[in-house]
Amino acid sequence: AQSVTQLGSHVSVSEGALVLLRCNYSSSVPPYLFWYVQYPNQGLQLLLKYTTGATLVKGINGFEAEFKKSETSFHLTKPSAHMSDAAEYFCAVSADPTAGGTSYGKLTFGQGTILTVHP
Amino acid sequence: EPEVTQTPSHQVTQMGQEVILRCVPISNHLYFYWYRQILGQKVEFLVSFYNNEISEKSEIFDDQFSVERPDGSNFTLKIRSTKLEDSAMYFCASKRAGPYEQYFGPGTRLTVT
Repeated sequence: AQSVTQLGSHVSVSEGALVLLRCNYSSSVPPYLFWYVQYPNQGLQLLLKYTTGATLVKGINGFEAEFKKSETSFHLTKPSAHMSDAAEYFCAVSADPTAGGTSYGKLTFGQGTILTVHP
Repeated sequence: EPEVTQTPSHQVTQMGQEVILRCVPISNHLYFYWYRQILGQKVEFLVSFYNNEISEKSEIFDDQFSVERPDGSNFTLKIRSTKLEDSAMYFCASKRAGPYEQYFGPGTRLTVT
């Protein structure tokens, strides 16, 4: 079984400040981890993903995340927030099918974090 | 860039009616999914579909729900007798084989009155 916890349903930052959105996961098999962004009235867009290999992954729009197995975390960061970053962010996990998981890629999502950026 | 499309964007129906939500996944993808997001709640997995059959489904996906890939392009979700609690945004997604991400459609907002 898998689960995702996103700490903080709302995060507010000033333009130019550091963005840190927290995600912790639980998985009985090695995970694949994803961050998706949802702008108002739109679908989910992939920001970045971790499957295997380098634990620090870079995504679109200057975002990056680090997979820390010992902390079961996959926090999302961006050094300098922009007004256009205001959106809802979802962390998600699926099971690595090559490591014993029987999942066909099913994603389990966190509750989401709404990011507000102030001028 | 290829994208997942969904129709309609908004569907209003009366309780007890049948609805069919339609999706066109990306053409070379092999795995197909439906998720739903009730207003203010997280995105929840409903069902995955691979090789022309359901590969996994959640507890939400009961006998009132069914999925079909009637031709080589469309992927549909049918709700036989809608309930008020079925009101939600329904997202279709598709993925190619391997450690790749799912691509999501823009969603269909279903309102049951």
